[in-house]
Amino acid sequence: KQEVTQIPAALSVPEGENLVLNCSFTDSAIYNLQWFRQDPGKGLTSLLLIQSSQREQTSGRLNASLDKSSGRSTLYIAASQPGDSATYLCAVNEDSNYQLIWGAGTKLIIKP
Amino acid sequence: NAGVTQTPKFRVLKTGQSMTLLCAQDMNHEYMYWYRQDPGMGLRLIHYSVGEGTTAKGEVPDGYNVSRLKKQNFLLGLESAAPSQTSVYFCASSPLGLPKETQYFGPGTRLLVL
Repeated sequence: KQEVTQIPAALSVPEGENLVLNCSFTDSAIYNLQWFRQDPGKGLTSLLLIQSSQREQTSGRLNASLDKSSGRSTLYIAASQPGDSATYLCAVNEDSNYQLIWGAGTKLIIKP
Repeated sequence: NAGVTQTPKFRVLKTGQSMTLLCAQDMNHEYMYWYRQDPGMGLRLIHYSVGEGTTAKGEVPDGYNVSRLKKQNFLLGLESAAPSQTSVYFCASSPLGLPKETQYFGPGTRLLVL
């Protein structure tokens, strides 16, 4: 059974630092992997989607990488800002069914 | 364009009571999903729908029922609420089935069952 793990559960860094969030999954036979952002009282917003054939995706200051063979993905945030404070979740899709397997998330706090 | 909306935002129930959570989307999406999110855990899929009039079970369907009578609405029902159903419930929709397209999420409904 696929399991998705995100460590650490919480992270606090000073503004301006570059940082990396980690996501690991137990079964490398995934179809794609997504990173989402969750703000309190709001829904989840998709940040980046990486297909299994891709190694990375970039959007602005965000860069997500995927290493299927090792079962790992990272989300790199450059020049962090207080507005980046949120919970970041990763989710994998194993095939063409309709179920995403989610990690529990990393709560990120950027200190001004 | 409101996207995905959920009603109500917060609700307190007593054990054994029933209620319906409403999800509405104005993006003409075919697929809709109900998730629950519990502390320290990832989201878990309760039920989903691949089109008007269709529903299917997800990972944790027990204790819940759903209906998709109209394409834009997806209802989640709790017939007899239990404290274990205390959670935050998220609805989502997507124009195509996974994995090509992402899902658009509503703001969530916080449910407390006493």
